[in-house]
Amino acid sequence: GQSLEQPSEVTAVEGAIVQINCTYQTSGFYGLSWYQQHDGGAPTFLSYNALDGLEETGRFSSFLSRSDSYGYLLLQELQMKDSASYFCAAPNDYKLSFGAGTTVTVRA
Amino acid sequence: GAGVSQSPSNKVTEKGKDVELRCDPISGHTALYWYRQRLGQGLEFLIYFQGNSAPDKSGLPSDRFSAERTGESVSTLTIQRTQQEDSAVYLCASSLGLASEKLFFGSGTQLSVL
Repeated sequence: GQSLEQPSEVTAVEGAIVQINCTYQTSGFYGLSWYQQHDGGAPTFLSYNALDGLEETGRFSSFLSRSDSYGYLLLQELQMKDSASYFCAAPNDYKLSFGAGTTVTVRA
Repeated sequence: GAGVSQSPSNKVTEKGKDVELRCDPISGHTALYWYRQRLGQGLEFLIYFQGNSAPDKSGLPSDRFSAERTGESVSTLTIQRTQQEDSAVYLCASSLGLASEKLFFGSGTQLSVL
């Protein structure tokens, strides 16, 4: 089986930096994905790490350490529109297993 | 189409009735997935299709749930004799291939069982 653990919620102010951690336990691991879901919307793909290290995509970066079974999503220069739920996910057999999600609330 | 399309967007039904949810994946995507999301919770895997075949149905919550896919395109998720516990958003996703890290999701069907 596979389990992914992430914090349930994070609150920060505009312009701040937020780090969402994800630890995983899996019988077979290929990489870690991150998805964003606004309230009432569809989850959308943000990033994927197959190898250790940092992947940067604009204000968002994602990191993976396979030896530590750990990854994180870094949100920089927070904007109000970044208020959403963020899910880490990992391929498990032929499907994608998701963490329970982290709700990020950005305050003015 | 441009993206994954699901219908209806909202469905209100009475306990005991059957419902059918539809998903139109992105053209050319061979893999199709159904997930369930209860309010404020994560995504619970239900079933996947590779082409028209569903090799693993173990994620379906009960025998009241069934799904099919035809023409390697449209999929329907059917829930028979609905229960209040079935109330949730049902999300469909597609990808180019299996075990893909990048799924494209539809906006879901909000099912409310009264």
